[in-house]
Amino acid sequence: AQSVTQLGSHVSVSEGALVLLRCNYSSSVPPYLFWYVQYPNQGLQLLLKYTSAATLVKGINGFEAEFKKSETSFHLTKPSAHMSDAAEYFCAVSEPQGGSEKLVFGKGTKLTVNP
Amino acid sequence: SQTIHQWPATLVQPVGSPLSLECTVEGTSNPNLYWYRQAAGRGLQLLFYSVGIGQISSEVPQNLSASRPQDRQFILSSKKLLLSDSGFYLCAWSLVGSAFFGQGTRLTVV
Repeated sequence: AQSVTQLGSHVSVSEGALVLLRCNYSSSVPPYLFWYVQYPNQGLQLLLKYTSAATLVKGINGFEAEFKKSETSFHLTKPSAHMSDAAEYFCAVSEPQGGSEKLVFGKGTKLTVNP
Repeated sequence: SQTIHQWPATLVQPVGSPLSLECTVEGTSNPNLYWYRQAAGRGLQLLFYSVGIGQISSEVPQNLSASRPQDRQFILSSKKLLLSDSGFYLCAWSLVGSAFFGQGTRLTVV
């Protein structure tokens, strides 16, 4: 069964600094990988997804992530943090090629952006 | 375009009372539907998912059940709520890949 590990439950950066949120996955077949963002008391919004095409995926709000099969990683980055990026971020994996579109999430990383 | 509706937004229920949370999707057919529960520090726990009418998979044993009486309707229920059922419940749909979420229901069992 697929699983996701997000390293660091809390990450704090200064405004304008690089954002790096880490995600490692486990999957027995080629996975689909996703990053979602959640603002307080709201649902989740899709930031970007990898579905076996280009390994560097660009998403909304200036975020991007790179799929690295050898490292089983899908880390999320943004060159310059903005105050509005403060939120909780979730990495997720599914295995549609294995017959399962069930989406399994990591425990989330809360991003704080300091002025 | 597709939309997902989830209600109510907040709910306070006494222990032992029943529960019914409803989720409907518009603008798509035969989606996969999901119920997740979110607790602080524990991420999103998948409770149930459904690939079609009447087809429900339960991920964890618990005090809850789910039903899908229509293609785009997914209901989360309980006959008797426990204090531990408190949390933020999210409904989602997917169709070949990405999942899209409702705005969630904050359930407090008192």
